[in-house]
Amino acid sequence: GQNIDQPTEMTATEGAIVQINCTYQTSGFNGLFWYQQHAGEAPTFLSYNVLDGLEEKGRFSSFLSRSKGYSYLLLKELQMKDSASYLCAVGNQGGKLIFGQGTELSVKP
Amino acid sequence: DGGITQSPKYLFRKEGQNVTLSCEQNLNHDAMYWYRQDPGQGLRLIYYSQIVNDFQKGDIAEGYSVSREKKESFPLTVTSAQKNPTAFYLCASRGTSLNYEQFFGPGTRLTVL
Repeated sequence: GQNIDQPTEMTATEGAIVQINCTYQTSGFNGLFWYQQHAGEAPTFLSYNVLDGLEEKGRFSSFLSRSKGYSYLLLKELQMKDSASYLCAVGNQGGKLIFGQGTELSVKP
Repeated sequence: DGGITQSPKYLFRKEGQNVTLSCEQNLNHDAMYWYRQDPGQGLRLIYYSQIVNDFQKGDIAEGYSVSREKKESFPLTVTSAQKNPTAFYLCASRGTSLNYEQFFGPGTRLTVL
């Protein structure tokens, strides 16, 4: 079966660092994607990992361990505009994406 | 500007009526996808198409139908057979790049009264 787990909600303080974890069990694997989605809007692409290790892109970093079926998204120097839902997705056959339920991040002043 | 458009942003229909949601892209992407999102949940795949004149069912295809007559267009029809059609519908497309990134349209929020 296909299963992707991430925490439902997280809260963090402006200026801090937050780590959003994602674990997965899927029948196929063509990479791990992270998307950001503000309420009522379309998801926007943040990062992609297909090899083990850390990918850094500005304030956002993403890590992958394929042997552990584990990824995390690291957000540094949090800003109020980072309040959003963060979606973990596994790439599968045919370019399909299997999504987790999303983690709702609230950034407090 | 290249992108994906969905219209309308909000759509209201009476129960028992079929409704068609539009999705157009000018990114020259071969693959297109339809997802449904319910409150507090992730995206679930309804249908996808990897090439013109071909499409496959996703995880929740019952009560939906699609067509792919042109590369740019992938309309979704929500039929009266869909038991709970009220949801946020997202269309996406993907090119042939190795990273499989999907680009999403702005979405259509369908409410069935």
